[in-house]
Amino acid sequence: AQKITQTQPGMFVQEKEAVTLDCTYDTSDQSYGLFWYKQPSSGEMIFLIYQGSYDEQNATEGRYSLNFQKARKSANLVISASQLGDSAMYFCAMTPSGGYQKVTFGTGTKLQVIP
Amino acid sequence: GAGVSQTPSNKVTEKGKYVELRCDPISGHTALYWYRQSLGQGPEFLIYFQGTGAADDSGLPNDRFFAVRPEGSVSTLKIQRTERGDSAVYLCASSRGGRGTTDTQYFGPGTRLTVL
Repeated sequence: AQKITQTQPGMFVQEKEAVTLDCTYDTSDQSYGLFWYKQPSSGEMIFLIYQGSYDEQNATEGRYSLNFQKARKSANLVISASQLGDSAMYFCAMTPSGGYQKVTFGTGTKLQVIP
Repeated sequence: GAGVSQTPSNKVTEKGKYVELRCDPISGHTALYWYRQSLGQGPEFLIYFQGTGAADDSGLPNDRFFAVRPEGSVSTLKIQRTERGDSAVYLCASSRGGRGTTDTQYFGPGTRLTVL
């Protein structure tokens, strides 16, 4: 079984500052994928970034980067230069590799960007 | 290109009624997933289709829930004898599919189901 833990129910960040959203995971799989999704108040889940367990480099997508520390089983999301439109729920998620991709989600972190 | 679409966006029904929720995946995506998201929670897996067949329905809570994908494209989630506890947002996602790879799942806007 896979488990995702997000310990920050809510976070505030000043506009233009960077923010780190924490995520730890637990799995017995050797190969897996880690994701972050953004869910604005409209409700749609928006894919942000993906990290494979065997990827040596941390994933980056524009202002998003994933700080992957395999030994610690953590996959923190870093958002640089926060914008007001970044205010949303953020979900960390994972899937097993080598098979179908049933996604296991964390409970989410609500990020609010302050002008 | 068009993303995943879901209809209706909102559904209000009475306890005991039958409802159908529809999902139209991204064209060419062979894998389709249904999730349920309760208030304040992350989405929870319900069922996964690869093509027309349900490859994993282990997340369906009970036999009142059923889903089909008869032609390998559009899927319908069916809930019989609805209960107030079924109230949630039902999310559909699709991906390219294919074992041995990690696909990114793309989500639809969801259907908000309210059972009175």
